[in-house]
Amino acid sequence: GAGVSQSPSNKVTEKGKDVELRCDPISGHTALYWYRQRLGQGLEFLIYFQGNSAPDKSGLPSDRFSAERTGESVSTLTIQRTQQEDSAVYLCASSLRDRASYEQYFGPGTRLTVT
Amino acid sequence: QQQVKQSPQSLIVQKGGISIINCAYENTAFDYFPWYQQFPGKGPALLIAIRPDVSEKKEGRFTISFNKSAKQFSLHIMDSQPGDSATYFCAASGLRQGAQKLVFGQGTRLTINP
Repeated sequence: GAGVSQSPSNKVTEKGKDVELRCDPISGHTALYWYRQRLGQGLEFLIYFQGNSAPDKSGLPSDRFSAERTGESVSTLTIQRTQQEDSAVYLCASSLRDRASYEQYFGPGTRLTVT
Repeated sequence: QQQVKQSPQSLIVQKGGISIINCAYENTAFDYFPWYQQFPGKGPALLIAIRPDVSEKKEGRFTISFNKSAKQFSLHIMDSQPGDSATYFCAASGLRQGAQKLVFGQGTRLTINP
């Protein structure tokens, strides 16, 4: 079946502008995660959604970052007043949250460049 | 305490050789340790994962060795092939505590020379 999809694949924006990144998880996956990957670095956790539970926002680096998820489907990550240090690849992952499977399936990412 | 330290940063191995990447963690609540493989321009893909109730897990040419007392785990790639050239990330999470977010190591860029 279809994997995790993300759009756009690339986004170039000017410093100070707002951007919205989209993630479509695998159908039936109840958990959705956002991570950030800076050039040459590991992935940093940003936010986690699980069903109707309150999201785990503990990784969001500042109040300029926010995310929403509609039910168990699409999620959008919004970065307001972008800064150059926001330049990174933003990765979305989804998983079945059950005891038999913990695997997180990642999308291809959105490469954000702030000029 | 949330860090996962990975080494080396880069590794060059001859075709047919054994590639070894190491990770260490501090948080004893971690109970799930996956390894991800990432090719340029792609998202990470799960390669193999281990729970702390076993000391070793093997899938084809890939083996995870886990040392609970030392809080270390490693990935071994046997008979390394040029197609294995990629960036490898170790990660950890505390599933028992409901903490599904993964804490990643910094990554190892592996190059297999033909």
